[in-house]
Amino acid sequence: KQEVTQIPAALSVPEGENLVLNCSFTDSAIYNLQWFRQDPGKGLTSLLLIQSSQREQTSGRLNASLDKSSGRSTLYIAASQPGDSATYLCAVKVYKLSFGAGTTVTVRA
Amino acid sequence: GAGVSQSPSNKVTEKGKDVELRCDPISGHTALYWYRQSLGQGLEFLIYFQGNSAPDKSGLPSDRFSAERTGGSVSTLTIQRTQQEDSAVYLCASSLGVGQGTRDNEQFFGPGTRLTVL
Repeated sequence: KQEVTQIPAALSVPEGENLVLNCSFTDSAIYNLQWFRQDPGKGLTSLLLIQSSQREQTSGRLNASLDKSSGRSTLYIAASQPGDSATYLCAVKVYKLSFGAGTTVTVRA
Repeated sequence: GAGVSQSPSNKVTEKGKDVELRCDPISGHTALYWYRQSLGQGLEFLIYFQGNSAPDKSGLPSDRFSAERTGGSVSTLTIQRTQQEDSAVYLCASSLGVGQGTRDNEQFFGPGTRLTVL
């Protein structure tokens, strides 16, 4: 059974600092890995999708890397802003998604 | 519609009643997924449809839970004789396809249905 772990569980940083969120998974036989953002009481917003054959994806201030052989992914958010405060979820896919518990980020103004 | 829609957005019911939750996927998406997010439990997979068939029902927690999909589009998740532990947010997602190595397998989520069983 696929196990997905996210570290840290919570993170509080001052505005402008870079964020580093970690995700690890136990079974490397995945189709892809997705990073999501979830705001309180809301659904999931897809941030980045990395296919199993790729090493990284970038979108604006967000960059995600994937090392499938070691079962790790890292999400970098540059120059954090208060609007980045949310819970970030990592999920790995073999047709269905297996989710980590998330990292709750607070960016202090 | 532009995205996945779910209804109702909130549902409060009494223990023992049946409930139906609806999901409208993105038009043209062949795959549809149901997940549940419980307080303190994280997100867990319930069931997955490819077209109208469900190749994987392994996540359904008990035989009180069932789901169907008709016309390769709308899906309904039914919970019979609801219990308090069924209280959660039920999320639906869809993807264009399910194949490996293609962006078609990216899942897009609806806003969820918050179910409260009193």
